[in-house]
Amino acid sequence: DAKTTQPPSMDCAEGRAANLPCNHSTISGNEYVYWYRQIHSQGPQYIIHGLKNNETNEMASLIITEDRKSSTLILPHATLRDTAVYYCIVRSSNNDYKLSFGAGTTVTVRA
Amino acid sequence: DAGVIQSPRHEVTEMGQEVTLRCKPISGHDYLFWYRQTMMRGLELLIYFNNNVPIDDSGMPEDRFSAKMPNASFSTLKIQPSEPRDSAVYFCASRIHNEQFFGPGTRLTVL
Repeated sequence: DAKTTQPPSMDCAEGRAANLPCNHSTISGNEYVYWYRQIHSQGPQYIIHGLKNNETNEMASLIITEDRKSSTLILPHATLRDTAVYYCIVRSSNNDYKLSFGAGTTVTVRA
Repeated sequence: DAGVIQSPRHEVTEMGQEVTLRCKPISGHDYLFWYRQTMMRGLELLIYFNNNVPIDDSGMPEDRFSAKMPNASFSTLKIQPSEPRDSAVYFCASRIHNEQFFGPGTRLTVL
């Protein structure tokens, strides 16, 4: 699976959109981009995933660049409960759903 | 649905003792994963099962670690003998479609 690069940390103001970048320049055609988050002392939680097209669900939006070398997770209206470590993961459709978690981005939402 | 259930939530044991961690996946999920999380190494996949059959145990650190899934509703991760470096949070996750659901984890401390 392709490696991902994320900033180690970022702050966000409560009520504002949080834009979390992820670089995956070596991604191949059959690899999906997944986002999970881990709130302190809890297990990771699935957020969203995509292949080529932008995706949106009740939690977030995922914007994937046309060349698929990077993506952005958008939390439209960040709340204090969104403070967590956010993981961007690239997963091959051939690898049986294994996920390789990197260091992620520690997002702190401030009032 | 109660989600993925893990027990115990906390375990403190002495070096050399046997430790057994338990997991009940969400009913109907066909994959089960065991992860370990430490500050130094982050979140690592240890082993996973598909329809109760172990598929990939390449992440199991040593022969002291073993995992079983005797039926679709139960899995165990055993460490025998335990060592202080095994201290970590152990997560179990089950999968349906494209989403892994994680349990709350077991915090293991080996003295």
